[in-house]
Amino acid sequence: AQKVTQAQTEISVVEKEDVTLDCVYETRDTTYYLFWYKQPPSGELVFLIRRNSFDEQNEISGRYSWNFQKSTSSFNFTITASQVVDSAVYFCALSEARGATNKLIFGTGTLLAVQP
Amino acid sequence: AAGVIQSPRHLIKEKRETATLKCYPIPRHDTVYWYQQGPGQDPQFLISFYEKMQSDKGSIPDRFSAQQFSDYHSELNMSSLELGDSALYFCASRGREARDEQFFGPGTRLTVL
Repeated sequence: AQKVTQAQTEISVVEKEDVTLDCVYETRDTTYYLFWYKQPPSGELVFLIRRNSFDEQNEISGRYSWNFQKSTSSFNFTITASQVVDSAVYFCALSEARGATNKLIFGTGTLLAVQP
Repeated sequence: AAGVIQSPRHLIKEKRETATLKCYPIPRHDTVYWYQQGPGQDPQFLISFYEKMQSDKGSIPDRFSAQQFSDYHSELNMSSLELGDSALYFCASRGREARDEQFFGPGTRLTVL
């Protein structure tokens, strides 16, 4: 069975601090996709990144970076120099790459509060 | 660029009433997903459709039904509403060219009183 674990329920940082959100996943599939979504207080789900299980290269996009380690089944997300606008719930998600639906399995989310 | 459209954005119903949520996928997207997100919870997969046929089913109550129409829009019908059905309902669509990337709509917030 597929499962995503986000052990950090809430994180509070002060603006300009770096913060890392942890994500650990379980799957028996050899081919799968990992995602991060941001959900601000307004409620919409904002797509941040998708990573193919065969691509273990880390990725950087502005202040965001992702560390994918297949050996530890982790896909961690780091925000550098956090800002108040980063305050949101962040979800890690997993989907199989082969199959009829590719439905997303979400973790329970991490609430990030960035204090000014 | 066109996005996924959901209507209504907000809906208030009484217990035991029915509700219909609508989803209009991105043009040329042939797969639609429905997710339910309860307060403080993560989104849970309900049901999906591919080319107007149900392709997968998750934790969807028997009181709920859904379908995808010939124009690819989808409707989620909810009957005998319960207080626990109060949630944010997301629709997402996926196209053949962008496999495994689901684009989410803004959600419909359903409140059952």
